[in-house]
Amino acid sequence: GAGVSQSPSNKVTEKGKDVELRCDPISGHTALYWYRQSLGQGLEFLIYFQGNSAPDKSGLPSDRFSAERTGGSVSTLTIQRTQQEDSAVYLCASIVAGGPGETQYFGPGTRLLVL
Amino acid sequence: AQSVTQPDIHITVSEGASLELRCNYSYGATPYLFWYVQSPGQGLQLLLKYFSGDTLVQGIKGFEAEFKRSQSSFNLRKPSVHWSDAAEYFCAVGAAGGYNKLIFGAGTRLAVHP
Repeated sequence: GAGVSQSPSNKVTEKGKDVELRCDPISGHTALYWYRQSLGQGLEFLIYFQGNSAPDKSGLPSDRFSAERTGGSVSTLTIQRTQQEDSAVYLCASIVAGGPGETQYFGPGTRLLVL
Repeated sequence: AQSVTQPDIHITVSEGASLELRCNYSYGATPYLFWYVQSPGQGLQLLLKYFSGDTLVQGIKGFEAEFKRSQSSFNLRKPSVHWSDAAEYFCAVGAAGGYNKLIFGAGTRLAVHP
């Protein structure tokens, strides 16, 4: 595709519900990152995929957060039993191969609000 | 540990004035440095990046940045600001030992007065 796309663009959910956020990377990009942008924490790394494997999950804040990538393309970030502190913008970025200095191309983000 | 500091949370300039946004980093090796811009409701767009070579880097929209190893800085500059430059600007370092994930500064919000 022309760029990284994310869906939904906005999500409002009730505390305790599960949510799934989707990222469609640029076609042919093998590496994919998830970041979270929140008022208190700024922009922080969550997880990195190379192909369908996630060699770096160090940024996931708790075991309520998980992510997968299938077919080396689409990725889904799942948050179980959402909490109010999960409210944030979740950004996805893709990169051609994951090499040093490569540009990460970001999607528009999913704005999550947990009531 | 790697970190990025953007000392200025908010900056206001007049249209046509020059701009400098500060960025300091902490990183053990030669860093890969990036400046991204985020307009309201938008994702992050790359302005420019440094990973080797000439320490003065030219980017899009008339921006440039200078890498100064001795000062651990990578300040962003523009000689004449346009109203459309109002946005939030993020400096980031790429963690080469960490699958190149980006470590971001807190951001600087730029307001432009007519």
